[in-house]
Amino acid sequence: QQQVKQSPQSLIVQKGGISIINCAYENTAFDYFPWYQQFPGKGPALLIAIRPDVSEKKEGRFTISFNKSAKQFSLHIMDSQPGDSATYFCAASDGGTASKLTFGTGTRLQVTL
Amino acid sequence: GAGVSQSPSNKVTEKGKDVELRCDPISGHTALYWYRQSLGQGLEFLIYFQGNSAPDKSGLPSDRFSAERTGGSVSTLTIQRTQQEDSAVYLCASSSQTGSSYEQYFGPGTRLTVT
Repeated sequence: QQQVKQSPQSLIVQKGGISIINCAYENTAFDYFPWYQQFPGKGPALLIAIRPDVSEKKEGRFTISFNKSAKQFSLHIMDSQPGDSATYFCAASDGGTASKLTFGTGTRLQVTL
Repeated sequence: GAGVSQSPSNKVTEKGKDVELRCDPISGHTALYWYRQSLGQGLEFLIYFQGNSAPDKSGLPSDRFSAERTGGSVSTLTIQRTQQEDSAVYLCASSSQTGSSYEQYFGPGTRLTVT
């Protein structure tokens, strides 16, 4: 049973554009929602994370939007750059940050010149 | 400082053989996680160690999989009688779980291929 659904599977965005990746979850006990960035041959690295008590969190060009009632959250990458080309995973946990993560299936982002 | 390290980086084994994958967490991190990443799939939780507490083994897919963590540091994931469906990248992560920092830091993974 997939508890975190992620879309799209792949995304092509022009340099300077906005990349948007969406995730939906089923488990209402989830209380921590991180996004990870993974480059080929590397392990995932935490990009930004949010808790359900806020609807938006911004760090630099990266923003998480969170809709608790819809059980959805999304990652927005503003002014996308070729260096942002990577695979992005959303995740969720039900024990706060100190708990196992349930991951989405990933979005391969390609930013073109 | 050194990050999470894993060895070997690649492992090719024949079906039916046993394999051991090693994880060296960041020094001082009390929590250690194993995940599996199959082609085209997200990361799948396998097992979680936290200090001296009993590990959370709820993600292990079968009794062929086991893991231990010695001395609260290094961990070994063992897969017995490997099957082709075990082929995946096995990722280890560690976390300090102190103060405000609970981020899971991932190693580069071990790519396991079962032929």
